[in-house]
Amino acid sequence: GENVEQHPSTLSVQEGDSAVIKCTYSDSASNYFPWYKQELGKGPQLIIDIRSNVGEKKDQRIAVTLNKTAKHFSLHITETQPEDSAVYFCAPINQAGTALIFGKGTTLSVSS
Amino acid sequence: GAGVSQSPSNKVTEKGKDVELRCDPISGHTALYWYRQSLGQGLEFLIYFQGNSAPDKSGLPSDRFSAERTGGSVSTLTIQRTQQEDSAVYLCASSAGQGRFLDTEAFFGQGTRLTVV
Repeated sequence: GENVEQHPSTLSVQEGDSAVIKCTYSDSASNYFPWYKQELGKGPQLIIDIRSNVGEKKDQRIAVTLNKTAKHFSLHITETQPEDSAVYFCAPINQAGTALIFGKGTTLSVSS
Repeated sequence: GAGVSQSPSNKVTEKGKDVELRCDPISGHTALYWYRQSLGQGLEFLIYFQGNSAPDKSGLPSDRFSAERTGGSVSTLTIQRTQQEDSAVYLCASSAGQGRFLDTEAFFGQGTRLTVV
């Protein structure tokens, strides 16, 4: 099955800095790569996703880059704000297309 | 409804008892998932329903776990003879994705926090 690893597990930045979280996956057949944000006491919420036919996607301060050859994709957050503090999960889809396989999460702390 | 609704929000049960957790997906969403999240951990896939197709049960950890989805809408996750290691937050999600390859946004409920004492 799909093996997903996220790094780092924790990340602390100053407000205004950039943050990068990397996700490595094992299943070369994966073709959908989302990032979810989970705030305390809430369910995860999709913040950005990318499909295998593109290498990069941006949405305001958030971007995702994909390297299918190396089997990794990364979340980039620029001009971080305190409200960006949360746990971030990558969740590439499995080969069967029936489940998102979540990494263990990255706790991002943005201090003002 | 406006989003995915789960009930109860919290459940404390004694070891050995059975529990039922309920999920009301977003109206019209054909895909429904159950995940389990232990403290400080990622989400562990349990089961996936898509329309009238046979569910993908490959993530269920033991035969004490089962789930059903009635009428293609509401789903119930049942845990029989609960154990302390079953304590976790159980999350349900639904999606409008159709067909075998599910690559549209999954909307999550707030979860049911299960504590087995």
